[in-house]
Amino acid sequence: GAVVSQHPSWVICKSGTSVKIECRSLDFQATTMFWYRQFPKQSLMLMATSNEGSKATYEQGVEKDKFLINHASLTLSTLTVTSAHPEDSSFYICSADRLALSSYEQYFGPGTRLTVT
Amino acid sequence: GENVEQHPSTLSVQEGDSAVIKCTYSDSASNYFPWYKQELGKGPQLIIDIRSNVGEKKDQRIAVTLNKTAKHFSLHITETQPEDSAVYFCASYTGGFKTIFGAGTRLFVKA
Repeated sequence: GAVVSQHPSWVICKSGTSVKIECRSLDFQATTMFWYRQFPKQSLMLMATSNEGSKATYEQGVEKDKFLINHASLTLSTLTVTSAHPEDSSFYICSADRLALSSYEQYFGPGTRLTVT
Repeated sequence: GENVEQHPSTLSVQEGDSAVIKCTYSDSASNYFPWYKQELGKGPQLIIDIRSNVGEKKDQRIAVTLNKTAKHFSLHITETQPEDSAVYFCASYTGGFKTIFGAGTRLFVKA
């Protein structure tokens, strides 16, 4: 149990276009979903936290108009990178929280590698 | 603000030896401490976790210890195998859906 999927696993797009990444919790309902960005050989950088049916909470320094997050249901969240530029190229990872005892267990998707040319 | 320090950043061991990764957290209210394994090009995978009311937890070759007084927790891998080679992240859950991650440890297990 506790499987999180991401689609696509990799994508190449041209500068100026938009890209949508989907994150799904397959066998549980996620109270909250998170979007992270990871640069090579670095830790996870939290971009935003999203709850179903409400606006996402963005971390300081993350442009909410550039990284649009929609959390349509308890099992689906999407991240859209708008007007992508080469500096947006990165590994994007989502995660979903599952309530367990007094805290939340966090399960990660397999990641999406975005390359902007 | 809250942070988690993780050491070492790189660890190289011989197959069969043990590996230990240590983390220190700052928020005394943290109550949940997961460990993740990330292989190249993949998302982090939860491998073991421990809650604040427990001092030690073991799952086959993997064990985690927690010292709440010192705010330390450690991952122990025994009888390491080449497939254990990966990046390991510790984390602490501080409540309010907030998880703080360590910087990661790159583990190399030499055959």
